[in-house]
Amino acid sequence: SQQGEEDPQALSIQEGENATMNCSYKTSINNLQWYRQNSGRGLVHLILIRSNEREKHSGRLRVTLDTSKKSSSLLITASRAADTASYFCATAAQYGNKLVFGAGTILRVKS
Amino acid sequence: DTEVTQTPKHLVMGMTNKKSLKCEQHMGHRAMYWYKQKAKKPPELMFVYSYEKLSINESVPSRFSPECPNSSLLNLHLHALQPEDSALYLCASSQGGVQGDYGYTFGSGTRLTVV
Repeated sequence: SQQGEEDPQALSIQEGENATMNCSYKTSINNLQWYRQNSGRGLVHLILIRSNEREKHSGRLRVTLDTSKKSSSLLITASRAADTASYFCATAAQYGNKLVFGAGTILRVKS
Repeated sequence: DTEVTQTPKHLVMGMTNKKSLKCEQHMGHRAMYWYKQKAKKPPELMFVYSYEKLSINESVPSRFSPECPNSSLLNLHLHALQPEDSALYLCASSQGGVQGDYGYTFGSGTRLTVV
């Protein structure tokens, strides 16, 4: 299965701390994407990293990609209560025809 | 307009009913998707439309029938559903094809309850 696996399944931190989530996958990919989902709502695209990139930044987000280990991490710095949500990685296989989502990490930021 | 609009937001239907979910986008995206999401699970792909043609059906039961009347509109027709079909149904679209080279834009979903 191409599906990514994420860890931890759940993460609880204090406001102002950094949050790190990891994603592993099984096949060669074209790109890897991270999405946020607030409770019961649609997913919001956060950031995309291509297979030939190793690191990408967007505001308080930092994504790394290690294609040799087939893994990615999402770092949220200086977390806020509003960052409380589920975070999913999604992979597009190199010659694939769809985007497949990992199991997700539930992040809770306590104020 | 940078949104995907889904209607209705909530739907309760009986097992003998026929209903439809609607999805609309005006971003010029030529790939559109239906996903199903159960509580505390990731979204699961159901259908992919590319240039208004069905390109992927992930072995979805025939009680779910997708339709793409034009490049901006995607429908999901529901008939004779089962209680286990209760879920959040998400529509998405993408520029640049199914690999989502610029990311997918999701609607806020339809919360479906089958009674």
